[in-house]
Amino acid sequence: EAGVTQFPSHSVIEKGQTVTLRCDPISGHDNLYWYRRVMGKEIKFLLHFVKESKQDESGMPNNRFLAERTGGTYSTLKVQPAELEDSGVYFCASTRDRGTEAFFGQGTRLTVV
Amino acid sequence: QKEVEQDPGPLSVPEGAIVSLNCTYSNSAFQYFMWYRQYSRKGPELLMYTYSSGNKEDGRFTAQVDKSSKYISLFIRDSQPSDSATYLCATVTGDKIIFGKGTRLHILP
Repeated sequence: EAGVTQFPSHSVIEKGQTVTLRCDPISGHDNLYWYRRVMGKEIKFLLHFVKESKQDESGMPNNRFLAERTGGTYSTLKVQPAELEDSGVYFCASTRDRGTEAFFGQGTRLTVV
Repeated sequence: QKEVEQDPGPLSVPEGAIVSLNCTYSNSAFQYFMWYRQYSRKGPELLMYTYSSGNKEDGRFTAQVDKSSKYISLFIRDSQPSDSATYLCATVTGDKIIFGKGTRLHILP
């Protein structure tokens, strides 16, 4: 069974540009989460999808971040326009049911210059 | 006050030593506690979880929670170079995982 996969593994963009990160959860996992780790800080929750619906987006930093999960399969996280402080590692995780083990992808390292 | 506090290290110990990793947390309502292991350029991987207070053992790993002092510990016996990684303590509220910063552990051959 394939794990959670994220694309790209690394992205370097200039301030003001747009970047889209993608996450493919484990097949059959209805719950999909985005987390982020900025330099020197903890991994922090961004948002939670149940199928295609946003269950909780309380961790989204601001309206430059847009997450979607059309069809309830893969998810995208778009940052537009990117700022320097958006640099960090973005992790995606999925669970089959709420409260069960979360499986994480390898992360996308975003560098905004 | 951070919800989960963890010393980032790094911590270097010789192969075969017992490793003790620790965290504190602030909210007495937290019930589930986890330890994740993260290798370089990989995502966190669940290592162990415990519910409420007490010990849980899995092979060379023992997780311990002391709710009276809000203290979480992970012990690794007979440490191996392959145990070198970042270890993150965590708890959960609702559907959100709350992580500590992680402790970088190096096991020296």
